[in-house]
Amino acid sequence: QVQLVQSGAEVKKPGASVKVSCKASGYIFTGYYFHWVRQAPGQGLEWMGWINPSSGGTHYAQKFQGWVTLTRDTSIGTAYMELNRLKSDDTAIYYCARDQGVIGQPKFYFDSWGQGTLVTVSS
Amino acid sequence: QSALTQPASVSGSPGQSITISCSGTSTNVGAYNSVSWYQQHPGEAPKLIIYDVNNRPSGVSNRFSGSKSDNTASLTISGVQAEDEADYYCSSYSRNSREVFGGGTKLTVL
Repeated sequence: QVQLVQSGAEVKKPGASVKVSCKASGYIFTGYYFHWVRQAPGQGLEWMGWINPSSGGTHYAQKFQGWVTLTRDTSIGTAYMELNRLKSDDTAIYYCARDQGVIGQPKFYFDSWGQGTLVTVSS
Repeated sequence: QSALTQPASVSGSPGQSITISCSGTSTNVGAYNSVSWYQQHPGEAPKLIIYDVNNRPSGVSNRFSGSKSDNTASLTISGVQAEDEADYYCSSYSRNSREVFGGGTKLTVL
């Protein structure tokens, strides 16, 4: 059974960085792309970017380029999202999600999601 | 402002059919058959209910169906039930942005 388990809630001050983890189990970690999606309180979903866990290759939404870093550790089957220079409007739930397509054939829809990590940015 | 436009809310009585629209452009919805729909109950992560315009993942009720015409995709829920009350999001592959979402539609079952 595919399972994505994310790290716990974080409270950060403006200007700080946060790193959220997403541990995968139940399938071959390097076989599927990971996406990151965020949702501000009471708002819709916003796609941030994706990582190929096999090669480490990444692609970011234009808004997040230079500001978000996606990485992975294949030895422990975990993907990471690091967001820098936090602002109050970065307060959101951050989700990791697995692309249904296999490596080399991404589908850009997400069949498994983590439970979400609430990041609160407040002075 | 979301790249895809959805109505903020729809409502229906149990047993009725409801349709949620998702309006895009020729660079996303109109260009690819990669439209998907997600259901999100309060406090939960989104759940994939439709992919590639009109395909359902295993385990998703056949009351959910999808379609697309030109730059607009639609989600139809036939025989809406109380458990269907949730937020619904469309998404599409985009030539420019890779993946874009709609702003979400709140379904209220009367």
